[in-house]
Amino acid sequence: EVQLVESGGDLAQPGRSLRLSCTASGFTFGDYAVNWVRQAPGKGLEWVGFIRSKTFYEITEYAASVLGRFTITRDDSKSIAYLQMDSLKTEDTAMYFCSRGPHRFCSGYSCHSDYWGQGTLVTVSS
Amino acid sequence: DIQMTQSPSTLSASVGDRVTITCRASQNINIWLAWYQQKPGRAPKSLIFMASNLESGVPSRFSGSGSGTDFTLTISSLQPDDSATYYCQQYSTNSATFGQGTKVEIK
Repeated sequence: EVQLVESGGDLAQPGRSLRLSCTASGFTFGDYAVNWVRQAPGKGLEWVGFIRSKTFYEITEYAASVLGRFTITRDDSKSIAYLQMDSLKTEDTAMYFCSRGPHRFCSGYSCHSDYWGQGTLVTVSS
Repeated sequence: DIQMTQSPSTLSASVGDRVTITCRASQNINIWLAWYQQKPGRAPKSLIFMASNLESGVPSRFSGSGSGTDFTLTISSLQPDDSATYYCQQYSTNSATFGQGTKVEIK
């Protein structure tokens, strides 16, 4: 069974950092891209960024709202993807979801998400 | 970034009704469109990818169509379990974007 489990969400002060983890199981993690999507309380979905697989050089893409502050990495030996969030802002408060991106159905520029984790909550407040 | 506009924002329909949600892209996205269903307090669930391809395990009453800038998600016979918010997402560029969502309520 495909599973994705996010962890690391917490309360953080503005300007501080957090690192989220996405632990995968039930499939060959290294064959897939990983997306990060967030949802502010009561709001819609916002794409944060994604990381391609090693086959595609682990190239990353980011939304303009997080570019230069957030970094996505992966450790295929552990089946984990990370979202490093630096210089946090109050507007980063959201539930953060990781999801699997199947390369064979990607556009070449980004991927949709076929399986999702349950999310981890990040609250940025002083 | 490409803007995705869904309509309507909310709809109310009866069990058994045919329901249609539209999604319009601000520029040509070819067929790189996905649809997701999200219930309160839950993660999104993928329904459709590449505009018209049904994800494994998704009921056949769901279907997607369109290409270019105009897309449609259709539920052929609305069921009580379909009460949820539906989002479209374009992934034709290196900055994917979602529509604002359509809330479907059961009368």
